[in-house]
Amino acid sequence: DAKTTQPPSMDCAEGRAANLPCNHSTISGNEYVYWYRQIHSQGPQYIIHGLKNNETNEMASLIITEDRKSSTLILPHATLRDTAVYYCIVRPQLGGYQKVTFGTGTKLQVIP
Amino acid sequence: GAVVSQHPSRVICKSGTSVKIECRSLDFQATTMFWYRQFPKQSLMLMATSNEGSKATYEQGVEKDKFLINHASLTLSTLTVTSAHPEDSSFYICSASRGHEKLFFGSGTQLSVL
Repeated sequence: DAKTTQPPSMDCAEGRAANLPCNHSTISGNEYVYWYRQIHSQGPQYIIHGLKNNETNEMASLIITEDRKSSTLILPHATLRDTAVYYCIVRPQLGGYQKVTFGTGTKLQVIP
Repeated sequence: GAVVSQHPSRVICKSGTSVKIECRSLDFQATTMFWYRQFPKQSLMLMATSNEGSKATYEQGVEKDKFLINHASLTLSTLTVTSAHPEDSSFYICSASRGHEKLFFGSGTQLSVL
């Protein structure tokens, strides 16, 4: 079973920040939060991951609550190309053999 | 960066035939690869975990005789859909980790069984 829950869909105006929430209330101490996105008929694309500190890269920012039970992915200036399904998953970083199950994700629609 | 290559990207076959899908880790060795299936407008569903040099571990409800997985080397895993039927039509995706890093995903294979 997936360990995360996300809203099924969200809209965001082009150029505005998109804030995508994720709940992972049963996360373990050694589990990282990963975000991927999937554009139609393609494999998932890695966005960002973190353990407990906030993280930022060229694509997005990740805000993790202090109790680590939830997180928010922020796309600072959404473009039409950011329209995709966004998945939040939890996984031990030091576990190449650890299987990963996906929840339903959030379908983000960026509106012109 | 690391890349996982999946081939073919699209395949159409007749009912009753077998189809093989390849998943390669291009610049790293992957002792473990994962196979997913995705139906339209649904999430990725884990089918099995492919382990180099040993038998694959299948998720509950996935027929191991139907979906044959071979992980003969550290850079190649194959999924063979045997005696394919229209209900096997789906988007199949593989993934692999490079050591302790994040999962990398292949570009997927769209299988259509006529």
